[in-house]
Amino acid sequence: DTAVSQTPKYLVTQMGNDKSIKCEQNLGHDTMYWYKQDSKKFLKIMFSYNNKELIINETVPNRFSPKSPDKAHLNLHINSLELGDSAVYFCASSQSLTLAGTGRVFYEQYFGPGTRLTVT
Amino acid sequence: DQQVKQNSPSLSVQEGRISILNCDYTNSMFDYFLWYKKYPAEGPTFLISISSIKDKNEDGRFTVFLNKSAKHLSLHIVPSQPGDSAVYFCAASGSWNQGGKLIFGQGTELSVKP
Repeated sequence: DTAVSQTPKYLVTQMGNDKSIKCEQNLGHDTMYWYKQDSKKFLKIMFSYNNKELIINETVPNRFSPKSPDKAHLNLHINSLELGDSAVYFCASSQSLTLAGTGRVFYEQYFGPGTRLTVT
Repeated sequence: DQQVKQNSPSLSVQEGRISILNCDYTNSMFDYFLWYKKYPAEGPTFLISISSIKDKNEDGRFTVFLNKSAKHLSLHIVPSQPGDSAVYFCAASGSWNQGGKLIFGQGTELSVKP
């Protein structure tokens, strides 16, 4: 009954390869995110999807392409992997609330266990 | 430019005492603040949050204080327990129409000694 799950947990691959990381949430949330934790331990947002619509796209190389087939899934595909892509990638989800005339508010995010990507 | 800063990379306290973790931010547009706890090889776990319309929020042993004029928030853990040993991240968001984007501090590693 894991709330936010990611596969694989560890991924070791060579430069130039293409790889995917999958994320699923069973919390019924409508928003999902990808974060990257670099070697200095900073957690930085990469992408966010709300109801399968891309709403956040930070300055990320276009080798990274998120895909959300439905509200419960957000996958991350990475082309032509580079050494600098080595990091821990976290998926997260949250619920949003839209108030008429005001806008949309997002509640606390729940994180998956992370995928440690090592590019050699 | 780091908009959320946790200036203490580590903190050590005795079991039963109070742990105080601090966080500073620079963006006055932030109106929602959260604390997360992270164990090694796990994802961050949500602990407690506070909206900018409040200056204090309490949940069991955890209390978050917000000082908007100083752009400062703190997390108090009382009493501290060995199981609280983890890395604590503060995060901030402009909650309205920002897509839920969280800006994280660099974390403070708390060690609670028996």
